[in-house]
Amino acid sequence: LAKTTQPISMDSYEGQEVNITCSHNNIATNDYITWYQQFPSQGPRFIIQGYKTKVTNEVASLFIPADRKSSTLSLPRVSLSDTAVYYCLVGGVYNFNKFYFGSGTKLNVKP
Amino acid sequence: DTGVSQDPRHKITKRGQNVTFRCDPISEHNRLYWYRQTLGQGPEFLTYFQNEAQLEKSRLLSDRFSAERPKGSFSTLEIQRTEQGDSAMYLCASSHSDTQYFGPGTRLTVL
Repeated sequence: LAKTTQPISMDSYEGQEVNITCSHNNIATNDYITWYQQFPSQGPRFIIQGYKTKVTNEVASLFIPADRKSSTLSLPRVSLSDTAVYYCLVGGVYNFNKFYFGSGTKLNVKP
Repeated sequence: DTGVSQDPRHKITKRGQNVTFRCDPISEHNRLYWYRQTLGQGPEFLTYFQNEAQLEKSRLLSDRFSAERPKGSFSTLEIQRTEQGDSAMYLCASSHSDTQYFGPGTRLTVL
C-alpha cells in the first residue's frame, strides 16, 4: 500500500511561494502522483498530476526527483483563497484499491 | 455544468432508517468511485465501478452498504439501518483516465 506522509499544517503569507512536500517511499513503478485541494464542505479539486521530473500548469508546479520517493507541490504567490487542505495521492486506476489520501496538509494563508 | 453532481447535498435521518444517495458522473466517464470522509480526515475509498461492473469494494463497505451502477451511468449508494457512526460526507468521483474528478458530496447526519 503506497501511503503518503505530509506535514499536518503550514502557514504562509499572501504573495509568497508555498512548497508542500509529500513522502511516498513505497511508490510503485506505474504509480502517478496527484495533488488535490479541498475546501470545507466541498469535494476535492484536482490540482496537478505527474509521473516524473517537473510538471507545470496554470495554478501550480509539481517537482518529482529521479527516485520518485517524494514530490513537492509549489504554489506561486498564494492568496487568502488558497487556504485549504492539500492532499498528495499516489496510485493509478490499474490498482485502484491502493489509493490512500491520508490527512493532508492544512495550508493557512495569512494577510 | 458538466461536472460530477450528487443528490441530495445534505441528508438528516434517524438511526435505523435507510438512505440512498445518487451520483451523476461526468458524461462518458466509464469509471466511478465512492468515498467516505469524516471530519478532519482524508477521503476513504469505499468502492469502484468500471461501467456497470463493481470491481473493488473496501472492507469499510459493510453489509449494510450497497452500491449500484445499473446502466453504467449514474450510481446509487444505499445505507440500510443507519447508525450514528455512518455520519460523514459521502463523495463520488468519476474518471476516464488516472485523474478523478469529485462531486460536491452528500453530508449525512444520523441522529
